[in-house]
Amino acid sequence: DAGVIQSPRHEVTEMGQEVTLRCKPISGHNSLFWYRQTMMRGLELLIYFNNNVPIDDSGMPEDRFSAKMPNASFSTLKIQPSEPRDSAVYFCASSLETRGTEAFFGQGTRLTVV
Amino acid sequence: GEDVEQSLFLSVREGDSSVINCTYTDSSSTYLYWYKQEPGAGLQLLTYIFSNMDMKQDQRLTVLLNKKDKHLSLRIADTQTGDSAIYFCAEITGGFKTIFGAGTRLFVKA
Repeated sequence: DAGVIQSPRHEVTEMGQEVTLRCKPISGHNSLFWYRQTMMRGLELLIYFNNNVPIDDSGMPEDRFSAKMPNASFSTLKIQPSEPRDSAVYFCASSLETRGTEAFFGQGTRLTVV
Repeated sequence: GEDVEQSLFLSVREGDSSVINCTYTDSSSTYLYWYKQEPGAGLQLLTYIFSNMDMKQDQRLTVLLNKKDKHLSLRIADTQTGDSAIYFCAEITGGFKTIFGAGTRLFVKA
């Protein structure tokens, strides 16, 4: 397996534009997580899916952020409209829903909003 | 609520020991983890400990768990410049959700 695949690796966009980040989890994993990492705030959990269903979205900063998981092999995180303060590295991770299971991370998408 | 806390920065000299500390809140956590993030990469599992253990040693790494105080630490012996990275403490909660700390950035001075 190629691991968790995220695209794009880098995204530069202008303030106000819509941004869509994509994630393909490891085949067979049934939990998927979106995280945001900044120097000031560290790693923050945005949303967590289990069996394609959003379980906890309390970390989503505001209504401009939305996430979907239409099937077990694909998820998107959308920001509309984007703002400069959304600039960060966004990570997707997947795991099996059992205790003690390692979370596998993608390489991340570095988003810059100018 | 669920929370994992750790300091954001640690600086040590090459050859010294590094100790990264973490506190967590979910007393039902059965596994506690340390992840490592190299520059420009995602997080990777470094080591873990079961909640019924007090200590786990793996080469230069020693994990200590104080379940009463909900305190976890990672000790890196003979720290090398290649150990410079961000280290994350994590726990799995009752809802099978992995909660990460914000990460401790380890700087190793030659």
